[in-house]
Amino acid sequence: GNSVTQMEGPVTLSEEAFLTINCTYTATGYPSLFWYVQYPGEGLQLLLKATKADDKGSNKGFEATYRKETTSFHLEKGSVQVSDSAVYFCALSDPARTSYGKLTFGQGTILTVHP
Amino acid sequence: NAGVTQTPKFQVLKTGQSMTLQCAQDMNHEYMSWYRQDPGMGLRLIHYSVGAGITDQGEVPNGYNVSRSTTEDFPLRLLSAAPSQTSVYFCASSLQDRGAYEQYFGPGTRLTVT
Repeated sequence: GNSVTQMEGPVTLSEEAFLTINCTYTATGYPSLFWYVQYPGEGLQLLLKATKADDKGSNKGFEATYRKETTSFHLEKGSVQVSDSAVYFCALSDPARTSYGKLTFGQGTILTVHP
Repeated sequence: NAGVTQTPKFQVLKTGQSMTLQCAQDMNHEYMSWYRQDPGMGLRLIHYSVGAGITDQGEVPNGYNVSRSTTEDFPLRLLSAAPSQTSVYFCASSLQDRGAYEQYFGPGTRLTVT
């Protein structure tokens, strides 16, 4: 079956530090890959996505590149802010048309950014 | 558009009680789903629906029922609550965008079963 593995957390950084959150996946075919963010007390918001190999998703200074050869979709940001403190989830959607985009999630990584 | 709405935001139940978590969307999405979020486990799919009158089980369906009488609404029923159902519940609806389905999540319902 499909699975997503994220790096162990929590991650604590100082403001303006470089961020990497690792994500690897197992899936048949060519899934779409997503990063979702959950701010304290809120639901999940789509941060970025990539639908095919070598695609780069980007949003709000975050980037992730779909690497099929390493089955990875690592999240990066060059300079984090306190407002980036949140839980980040990597997810994939089953490529089968009949899956209707059912998501398989990683366990989530808690990011805390200090001033 | 209100997007995906969920009620209530918080609920405390005693073991054995029943309740319904409400979910509605105003985006005319065909696909809707329920997930539960537990610490260290990400989100897991409970049930989903691909249209009015059609539902199916996800990864963790035991103890939950769903129905889909309209495109807009997708309630989740707990018939006899158990402490293991203490969790945060998210409803989502999805739209196909350039070959990929993009899911929109509600704000969640935090349920505690004592």
